[in-house]
Amino acid sequence: GAVVSQHPSRVICKSGTSVKIECRSLDFQATTMFWYRQFPKQSLMLMATSNEGSKATYEQGVEKDKFLINHASLTLSTLTVTSAHPEDSSFYICSARDLRDLYGYTFGSGTRLTVV
Amino acid sequence: EDQVTQSPEALRLQEGESSSLNCSYTVSGLRGLFWYRQDPGKGPEFLFTLYSAGEEKEKERLKATLTKKESFLHITAPKPEDSATYLCAVQIMNRDDKIIFGKGTRLHILP
Repeated sequence: GAVVSQHPSRVICKSGTSVKIECRSLDFQATTMFWYRQFPKQSLMLMATSNEGSKATYEQGVEKDKFLINHASLTLSTLTVTSAHPEDSSFYICSARDLRDLYGYTFGSGTRLTVV
Repeated sequence: EDQVTQSPEALRLQEGESSSLNCSYTVSGLRGLFWYRQDPGKGPEFLFTLYSAGEEKEKERLKATLTKKESFLHITAPKPEDSATYLCAVQIMNRDDKIIFGKGTRLHILP
């Protein structure tokens, strides 16, 4: 089935530094990928839609300059959390739609970001 | 406003005790409804996609059904390994490929 690989699975960084998270579709091409944020015992909140070859579309309330998204190829999207602060600590998850539509939206395994 | 509501928020069952999880939705136009399973610290794992009222899909002990207003995830004779959070999500017509998630149901199966 469709597989989405997300790295790293866990990262701890110091306040003020930047962190990059990668999301790759391994066996299919994804013109669109999605980035979510999830707080403990809460559901997934869509942050932005990543479009290959064009600018990402951000949801209301999500800071574009803090959460930089780059969709450089049909199989890779990256999320960079810039000048991270403790309140950015969360679980970040990416997903992609396999247009063969056999598996709906496939999700990565998530990245636990802790800013200290 | 488009909305997805799941109930109950949490459910504890004895092993073998069958039950159903509910996902009710209010959207301008349903393109598809998805069920996912999420284990702690992991990304959601795809279970089912339903597209039209009356549709049913089964996988092992799980069965998903869809009406015009809600979907049910029936779990028959659950086992402790079925313990997880079950998420419902809907894709809305004319909203690109975005999907909206419910808050999930945390299911705990006691041995």
